[in-house]
Amino acid sequence: GAVVSQHPSWVICKSGTSVKIECRSLDFQATTMFWYRQFPKQSLMLMATSNEGSKATYEQGVEKDKFLINHASLTLSTLTVTSAHPEDSSFYICSARDPAREQYFGPGTRLTVT
Amino acid sequence: QQQVKQSPQSLIVQKGGISIINCAYENTAFDYFPWYQQFPGKGPALLIAIRPDVSEKKEGRFTISFNKSAKQFSLHIMDSQPGDSATYFCAASPSGYALNFGKGTSLLVTP
Repeated sequence: GAVVSQHPSWVICKSGTSVKIECRSLDFQATTMFWYRQFPKQSLMLMATSNEGSKATYEQGVEKDKFLINHASLTLSTLTVTSAHPEDSSFYICSARDPAREQYFGPGTRLTVT
Repeated sequence: QQQVKQSPQSLIVQKGGISIINCAYENTAFDYFPWYQQFPGKGPALLIAIRPDVSEKKEGRFTISFNKSAKQFSLHIMDSQPGDSATYFCAASPSGYALNFGKGTSLLVTP
């Protein structure tokens, strides 16, 4: 299957700082990427849909000014958590849609805000 | 509102047995039904997916059964192994759109 990477895999930051998470499709071009959030022992919740070259579409209840998404190329989307707070601590997972419309997930990024 | 309902929440199966996980949906616009396997601390891995034009798809020990009229689909894991112990998520979406996930099933395969 197709490979999607995320960086970093794990990050700790202080409250009030910003953190950037990268999502890359390694062997295919992805015009669309999705960002999900997962709390322990829960399912994945869609945060936003990222389309290359256009603004992201955010799900209801997700603050677009707090979770900045940029999809600058066909293989890279970034999620920046601005002014992070402890309640933003979670597992952030991206997925990328390949040309056959299958979705492949990255390995996830564990964010801990202290 | 949960668009995809998954059951059971947890499942214990003996090695060599068949694991069965069920999902149901309401939105008739859904035409892509994947199953994902997730180990702790890892992202979900695509196991197998089906589209409504077929009623069954098999890949190795994993089989999806799909019932369009009942709006249900299920995952069967044949000859279950301890290494299959993980959380399994069903999902559904209109093709190419964001996935709607079930709540997950924690599978434990005992030796």
